[in-house]
Amino acid sequence: EAQVTQNPRYLITVTGKKLTVTCSQNMNHEYMSWYRQDPGLGLRQIYYSMNVEVTDKGDVPEGYKVSRKEKRNFPLILESPSPNQTSLYFCASSLGPGGYEQYFGPGTRLTVT
Amino acid sequence: GEDVEQSLFLSVREGDSSVINCTYTDSSSTYLYWYKQEPGAGLQLLTYIFSNMDMKQDQRLTVLLNKKDKHLSLRIADTQTGDSAIYFCAPQSGGSYIPTFGRGTSLIVHP
Repeated sequence: EAQVTQNPRYLITVTGKKLTVTCSQNMNHEYMSWYRQDPGLGLRQIYYSMNVEVTDKGDVPEGYKVSRKEKRNFPLILESPSPNQTSLYFCASSLGPGGYEQYFGPGTRLTVT
Repeated sequence: GEDVEQSLFLSVREGDSSVINCTYTDSSSTYLYWYKQEPGAGLQLLTYIFSNMDMKQDQRLTVLLNKKDKHLSLRIADTQTGDSAIYFCAPQSGGSYIPTFGRGTSLIVHP
């Protein structure tokens, strides 16, 4: 089954404790991205990757890191999480630019206390 | 960059038609998507229209595009309780890797 998986689905952590949210897709997609969703703000893109070893900042990259060492995986790293990073995070992938459907993961709900 | 505006909430009675509106600013938007997010789930592509089209119909869904006014709408006929979800308008220009998502419209369907 074609899918994007994220782990963990739920995470409660404390300020400053490094964490990684994993994302994996099995569709051989070139393009992957991370979004955060906050009430009233919709979806905002954090980082995206056009291919292996190629990443770029989205609209709200501060406080986040990503890596793309393999085509299928695109982890999101929070080196020192803060409460304002409490949010719902989505990973997405697509075949390429313009005109291709984005496939979304189920989401990771992160709470930073 | 592109700005996308949608109203935040829409409430309809079961069986009525729902119309969700969206305005955008980038006239080079080539692909215009509607994504649906059901409670507790990720987004799924619902339908889309290309900028060279005025209308697209897909079963209960009708998408209308007014390029001149940069206005996109999604009509759901015979709305059911299962249609309750957040609907995102997402225009994308041809050279862009990413669509720009609106804030989403929460559709509430009541009996």
